[in-house]
Amino acid sequence: RKEVEQDPGPFNVPEGATVAFNCTYSNSASQSFFWYRQDCRKEPKLLMSVYSSGNEDGRFTAQLNRASQYISLLIRDSKLSDSATYLCVVSLTGGGADGLTFGKGTHLIIQP
Amino acid sequence: DAGVTQSPTHLIKTRGQQVTLRCSPKSGHDTVSWYQQALGQGPQFIFQYYEEEERQRGNFPDRFSGHQFPNYSSELNVNALLLGDSALYLCASRETGRNEKLFFGSGTQLSVL
Repeated sequence: RKEVEQDPGPFNVPEGATVAFNCTYSNSASQSFFWYRQDCRKEPKLLMSVYSSGNEDGRFTAQLNRASQYISLLIRDSKLSDSATYLCVVSLTGGGADGLTFGKGTHLIIQP
Repeated sequence: DAGVTQSPTHLIKTRGQQVTLRCSPKSGHDTVSWYQQALGQGPQFIFQYYEEEERQRGNFPDRFSGHQFPNYSSELNVNALLLGDSALYLCASRETGRNEKLFFGSGTQLSVL
């Protein structure tokens, strides 16, 4: 079983729609959780951390379910510029203190 | 303020050769990690350096080695290159204690023929 699993997509979504991605992780000892965004063959960039209570940053909402070992990302009112690959990331310690474990990513295409 | 810089941006090698990739961390950062990203995959952790020592290592063979210099810059060395080593190699840096603030460089695209 892969450590972090994501649906690779692609998700084709019309501009303005709401889209949600999920990922599951296998190591129950994981402590820190993140969503990174990666544009085509560029470096990953931190989109947001994911906290147990759930957290929101503008149009983006992240949720964590430790019991089910499941992380989600919701994007509301999607923009063309949201087209990218979204990487689900977990860490056994405070994020980055050890190596991060990345999923393969979910490819999102926002259509005009 | 320059971010994480990597060199070269692209490199072509043949099987069996050796390669050295270089990384300068973001100003103020003292911890450097290296990741390998094959096409269609997420980045995979190779190792992390702090205070000039390898602190953490992922599931990579000994052909992959590294070094960190007193100015915090780092090198990744790969010996006896295999076709499967073709990938984007990403360097990431952070400031000790600021675990969530991880910054990636734009990577070195290595092609092994």
